[in-house]
Amino acid sequence: QVQLVESGGGVVQPGRSLRLSCAASGFTFSIYPMHWVRQAPGKGLEWVAVISNDGSKKYYADSVKGRFTISRDNSKNTMFLQMNSLRPEDTAVYYCVRESSGYFIFDYWGQGTLVTVSS
Amino acid sequence: DIQMTQSPSSLSASVGDRVTLTCRASQSITTYLNWYQQKPGKAPKLLIYGASSLQSGVPSRFSGSGSGTDFTLTISSLQPEDFATYYCQQSFNTPRTFGRGTKVEVK
Repeated sequence: QVQLVESGGGVVQPGRSLRLSCAASGFTFSIYPMHWVRQAPGKGLEWVAVISNDGSKKYYADSVKGRFTISRDNSKNTMFLQMNSLRPEDTAVYYCVRESSGYFIFDYWGQGTLVTVSS
Repeated sequence: DIQMTQSPSSLSASVGDRVTLTCRASQSITTYLNWYQQKPGKAPKLLIYGASSLQSGVPSRFSGSGSGTDFTLTISSLQPEDFATYYCQQSFNTPRTFGRGTKVEVK
């Protein structure tokens, strides 16, 4: 069955960096675009970034552009989110999400990993 | 960016009630509208895609309608497991914006 497992979250000071990983299994990872979506404590969902199936195209939310970098390694069925210059407002649960074709739906989500930016 | 506006932000209802949630897009998104359900501490779950198509495994009491800018999610007879927060999302373009959610609470 499809599984997405995030890791790498934790507590980090403002201005520092963190790298999230998403390990995928149960499907052919290399044919699906993948996204990161985050949710601040008690708040709604915020789309963060997307990467095409082959890694050639990447798009970011304005709130993270220039600070976050999305990437993937299809040989290891893994996606990454490199987060630099972290701010307190980046504190959130970060979800790894698979996009399926047709209506570009988010059909599978990971369980999320919590990133806390605090001094 | 396309803005998604959900109403109400919360509602109180009883088991067995018919519940209707609304979502409005700031521009036409044809039928690229998806609905997700989220329970506390859990990842969102896809309910409806393409405005009206039921995701596999989702109970038939959930239904969606609309096109263009105005959409609705209807729960025909609310069940105890349906108390949750519901988000609409447009997949017409990037960024894939979400509404702020509607929390369905016990009356």
